[in-house]
Amino acid sequence: QKEVEQNSGPLSVPEGAIASLNCTYSDRVSQSFFWYRQYSGKSPELIMSIYSNGDKEDGRFTAQLNKASQYVSLLIRDSQPSDSATYLCAVKNMDSSYKLIFGSGTRLLVRP
Amino acid sequence: NAGVTQTPKFQVLKTGQSMTLQCAQDMNHNSMYWYRQDPGMGLRLIYYSASEGTTDKGEVPNGYNVSRLNKREFSLRLESAAPSQTSVYFCASSEAEGNYGYTFGSGTRLTVV
Repeated sequence: QKEVEQNSGPLSVPEGAIASLNCTYSDRVSQSFFWYRQYSGKSPELIMSIYSNGDKEDGRFTAQLNKASQYVSLLIRDSQPSDSATYLCAVKNMDSSYKLIFGSGTRLLVRP
Repeated sequence: NAGVTQTPKFQVLKTGQSMTLQCAQDMNHNSMYWYRQDPGMGLRLIYYSASEGTTDKGEVPNGYNVSRLNKREFSLRLESAAPSQTSVYFCASSEAEGNYGYTFGSGTRLTVV
């Protein structure tokens, strides 16, 4: 079982809709969770981090964490064509010497 | 601008040639990392350096060596390039502990023919 799993997509949503990206992880001692956005041909860019159960909002982005279910998600409200990218979920825990473990990413396509 | 700088941005090598990818960060981070990214494979850790003076293997270290030259610089060397090493390489840095993510460099696109 992969440590961090994401649906590869593509997830296609119309402009203005809510895009919901999901990630599950296998290690219960995971302590920090991150979402990166990666445009084609570019490097990953950190957009959200979350450490505690519940929701964390930043502008149009909301990260949701449920440690009991080992599940983290990213909601993008009012999706724009410029949000079209691959979104990488990453997990950090002490057992991995604080290394980030990345999922393979979900490609999001926002249709105008 | 503060961040992680990688050189070169593009490189074509012939099989068997060697080269060194350079990475430098100016954020005073303790930890540095080298990843490769291949289609459908996500980011895979090659080597990392938790702090100056230490290096450790990651998930896919075969065919690579690294040097943590000082706190700022972490280089990746391919001694004898193979077509299987065709990939995009990213360097990243972070604080080792605590709830910090990574900052990535802009990447090196390497093709081995």
